[in-house]
Amino acid sequence: SSELTQDPAVSVALGQTVRITCQGDGLRNYYASWFQQKPGQAPLLVIYGKNNRPSGIPDRFSGSSSGNTASLTITGAQADDEADYYCNSRDSSGNFLRVFGGGTKLTVL
Amino acid sequence: QLQLQESGPGLVKPSETLSLTCTVSGGSISSTNSYWVWIRQPPGKGLEWIGSTYYSGSTYYTPSLKSRVTVSVDTSRNQFSLKVSSVTAADTAVYYCAREDVGKMGAMDVWGQGTTVIVSS
Repeated sequence: SSELTQDPAVSVALGQTVRITCQGDGLRNYYASWFQQKPGQAPLLVIYGKNNRPSGIPDRFSGSSSGNTASLTITGAQADDEADYYCNSRDSSGNFLRVFGGGTKLTVL
Repeated sequence: QLQLQESGPGLVKPSETLSLTCTVSGGSISSTNSYWVWIRQPPGKGLEWIGSTYYSGSTYYTPSLKSRVTVSVDTSRNQFSLKVSSVTAADTAVYYCAREDVGKMGAMDVWGQGTTVIVSS
């Protein structure tokens, strides 16, 4: 079983704000990174570290963390944001291993 | 621009060994700020981190696969590889290689396109 827990599915109305969460003990000590995956495509890094966006990622994507929960927020969701989202972080034992959350399917209504 | 490309057989028989290679272009696999990673995704399921390697040859494996997995690096060819032994249908998946950037707190910022491996007789 995954050490990072995500809600399986979340929906948001077009243009509204949605938060996708990821819970795990390791998140008390390590930041999560977030990936967007569309059908048939490789995952795309959208957030890493405290709240950093790789080049080309729209600023409507942001990240935050509190306690054992990391969050990905999309402010003003677009139809193109409909995808699966995965969090990833270090294994809670703090070694070089990494784990993924189970993924959240985001539907934009 | 760094690019990764997976290659290897798309069909493997049960009990045999799955072997894949990831070729790194546009950068050096000997970069001191990069770890090289394998991830897989079974059909209709989520992502699974398999293991990683550093150019020095250090390796790290997820516990559930550690007994069957070997990740290795070939700096002369700018490639790294994955071997999974004694495969079963449960190993059927899209296999991705990726780079973990130390400068981005280990985030996997560059991915290959993925290669589908089916385990079937």
